[in-house]
Amino acid sequence: AQSVSQHNHHVILSEAASLELGCNYSYGGTVNLFWYVQYPGQHLQLLLKYFSGDPLVKGIKGFEAEFIKSKFSFNLRKPSVQWSDTAEYFCAVNEPSGANNLFFGTGTRLTVIP
Amino acid sequence: DSGVTQTPKHLITATGQRVTLRCSPRSGDLSVYWYQQSLDQGLQFLIQYYNGEERAKGNILERFSAQQFPDLHSELNLSSLELGDSALYFCASSVDPRSTDTQYFGPGTRLTVL
Repeated sequence: AQSVSQHNHHVILSEAASLELGCNYSYGGTVNLFWYVQYPGQHLQLLLKYFSGDPLVKGIKGFEAEFIKSKFSFNLRKPSVQWSDTAEYFCAVNEPSGANNLFFGTGTRLTVIP
Repeated sequence: DSGVTQTPKHLITATGQRVTLRCSPRSGDLSVYWYQQSLDQGLQFLIQYYNGEERAKGNILERFSAQQFPDLHSELNLSSLELGDSALYFCASSVDPRSTDTQYFGPGTRLTVL
């Protein structure tokens, strides 16, 4: 079975600081990778996804993620965070050959201080 | 607004009772997914339907069942409720069941079992 680890449970940053949230997965085969964000009181929405090709993926709102196959990692980055980035961030994976059910990490809560 | 609607938003009930959660997918989406988000288990995939047929099953208890109707809306039935069933239940939808297809999440139904 697949598992996804997000080691940072709560990250607190000041505005304009750079962000990197870790995501590691355990699975021997090929995976599709996703980052979702949940703003306070809102639904989960997709930030970015990686299936194949360029391992550096750009998403919405200035976020990007890098897939490093040798490290089984898909870390999320943003060069300069804003107060509006305060939210919970979830990494997820699924199998390309399988059904579209997502395996989620436990989430990282990001608090950005103005 | 993702276009996925869920009713009710909140549900408070007692142990041993049965409840039904409803989900309407985005217009044009044929695949529906149910997820449970709890403090101890995180976000877990429960079940997926595609065009009325069950497509994949995750960690769904035998006390829980779901179905997708001809108009593509879906219902999740939870019976013999226990305190531990208290959670946020999300529905998501996608156009088709391929693993690369983006899932759009609804706002969730918060179930409290007393």
